[in-house]
Amino acid sequence: GIQVEQSPPDLILQEGANSTLRCNFSDSVNNLQWFHQNPWGQLINLFYIPSGTKQNGRLSATTVATERYSLLYISSSQTTDSGVYFCAPLDILTGGGNKLTFGTGTQLKVEL
Amino acid sequence: EAGVAQSPRYKIIEKRQSVAFWCNPISGHATLYWYQQILGQGPKLLIQFQNNGVVDDSQLPKDRFSAERLKGVDSTLKIQPAKLEDSAVYLCASSLRLAGTYNEQFFGPGTRLTVL
Repeated sequence: GIQVEQSPPDLILQEGANSTLRCNFSDSVNNLQWFHQNPWGQLINLFYIPSGTKQNGRLSATTVATERYSLLYISSSQTTDSGVYFCAPLDILTGGGNKLTFGTGTQLKVEL
Repeated sequence: EAGVAQSPRYKIIEKRQSVAFWCNPISGHATLYWYQQILGQGPKLLIQFQNNGVVDDSQLPKDRFSAERLKGVDSTLKIQPAKLEDSAVYLCASSLRLAGTYNEQFFGPGTRLTVL
């Protein structure tokens, strides 16, 4: 199956700072999702991005499928951005199903 | 639009007891997934349904775990008997379709299981 590496594993930011999170994956993928897991454990969909660039408010994401990586940009960070950010490429299974393969995540803490 | 619903939110049991979790996917979503998330790790797929049929259960420990989606809507996941290592958050997700451009997955709030 696909191997997923995320970096950095931990990140502390001052409110208002910008950051870039990286996701490398080992094989070609049909799709990729970014999630934010808030301190209460809820996985929140950020982006569904097989390739190209998308933006949503202060967040944007870029996936370069041919080079097997994706980036998540957070600008003007806020304390509510704290939590774990997961990258999850979609792996196609031999039986016709699929699964999201999650990395170990980036733990982000935004301080005042 | 209502999201994925799960219950209970928390469950504490003794080892060797049984437990069941319930999930109701987003209305109209044909595909339903159960994931297990152990503390400090990302979620890992246990089983996947398309309507009321199992698409993949290769990662499900079938000696103790079972799942069903009888009418193609809501689903239950059961553990019997539970072991200490089953302590985790059990997440249900759904997507509109299995393949193509409609396979974005949406997750419920999860059930946090503690096995003592």
